[in-house]
Amino acid sequence: QQQVKQSPQSLIVQKGGISIINCAYENTAFDYFPWYQQFPGKGPALLIAIRPDVSEKKEGRFTISFNKSAKQFSLHIMDSQPGDSATYFCAASSSGSNYQLIWGAGTKLIIKP
Amino acid sequence: EPEVTQTPSHQVTQMGQEVILRCVPISNHLYFYWYRQILGQKVEFLVSFYNNEISEKSEIFDDQFSVERPDGSNFTLKIRSTKLEDSAMYFCASRLPMNYEQYFGPGTRLTVT
Repeated sequence: QQQVKQSPQSLIVQKGGISIINCAYENTAFDYFPWYQQFPGKGPALLIAIRPDVSEKKEGRFTISFNKSAKQFSLHIMDSQPGDSATYFCAASSSGSNYQLIWGAGTKLIIKP
Repeated sequence: EPEVTQTPSHQVTQMGQEVILRCVPISNHLYFYWYRQILGQKVEFLVSFYNNEISEKSEIFDDQFSVERPDGSNFTLKIRSTKLEDSAMYFCASRLPMNYEQYFGPGTRLTVT
């Protein structure tokens, strides 16, 4: 019940296209859903996050869509650029467990020029 | 911009040896975390720490592991007797009170031979 399932494992998108990564969770106690971006050899960097009281959050080219009833959330990257090529992790946490992050398996995104 | 720092960036040790991984969280953050990432796998929670004590720990965080905040700035992870399977990237993270956002350091790559 603590798992966060992420798909796809890898994704290739043409420059200018839309990249979509999906995550699903089971634990209804989760109340914070961040996305992290990780470049090789670096630590995860917080990209964007959402709380379950809203269905969508947009920051620049990055949008999180959240479906509470389906227990799913997704990351959309508009106008994808080669510099967006990285591994993306979704995660979830709850105040009841001291906000420890439960991570998805990661998606390796490659943007083709 | 304040950031989490970690030392060393790479540690090579022999099986059975003790290692100490060091982290300097962001200065006004009060909650601290250790995560690990085995090569090619997802990030896993190890332990959270607040007010000089462990708040939560995972099944991975067994008696071989310990954490300490020896002074006002450092946060350390000690592995008493390293095993081959402890080889991984270890990330430290910190956050403010009443704030979900965790900020990660660049990681320490631990190689146990």
